[in-house]
Amino acid sequence: NAGVTQTPKFQVLKTGQSMTLQCAQDMNHNSMYWYRQDPGMGLRLIYYSASEGTTDKGEVPNGYNVSRLNKREFSLRLESAAPSQTSVYFCASSATSGPYNEQFFGPGTRLTVL
Amino acid sequence: EDKVVQSPLSLVVHEGDTVTLNCSYEVTNFRSLLWYKQEKKAPTFLFMLTSSGIEKKSGRLSSILDKKELFSILNITATQTGDSAVYLCAPGRDDEAAGNKLTFGGGTRVLVKP
Repeated sequence: NAGVTQTPKFQVLKTGQSMTLQCAQDMNHNSMYWYRQDPGMGLRLIYYSASEGTTDKGEVPNGYNVSRLNKREFSLRLESAAPSQTSVYFCASSATSGPYNEQFFGPGTRLTVL
Repeated sequence: EDKVVQSPLSLVVHEGDTVTLNCSYEVTNFRSLLWYKQEKKAPTFLFMLTSSGIEKKSGRLSSILDKKELFSILNITATQTGDSAVYLCAPGRDDEAAGNKLTFGGGTRVLVKP
């Protein structure tokens, strides 16, 4: 049972380049999330998908797009990377139904934009 | 807008000391409050609290929630060097359509010296 997996683990981009961060979960969770974490700060929500077929903006969506490809996979795309997007990106998932909303996190992608 | 404030920002203690971490929040349709521990990589789940006055315990860690005063406390007794981490507080909404979003505080960095 792998939980939440993310690829790549590290990436360096030049300003203006594009890339897609991949995330997959094998826990049959309905909800998936993308966060960014900057040095000394907590996690800020970029986008989330409450269920397959839906996506919605979080706290800091500008400069990003997402795709909920199926129930397992949720990708984050940077169309034109900027230095301000240098950060560590975490994907997470949670079961929507029931009284609990614990989120399980992937190992993160460290992105540097030069 | 949901707000979460953690204090102190950081602290340094010696092994065997007790630490108390604070989390105050303002969240619409509050459902639960989660505590996470983050070492070098992804946050890992510690506790979920849903009712006031219920103290959760796991070994040397314990946590309590006050839904009237809108705060939670995380205590770590007999600290060990392995407790060194950033501790994140995250209240969650009772909003299934929104995918059970969590709002993360900025975290408290704890350093335990031998």
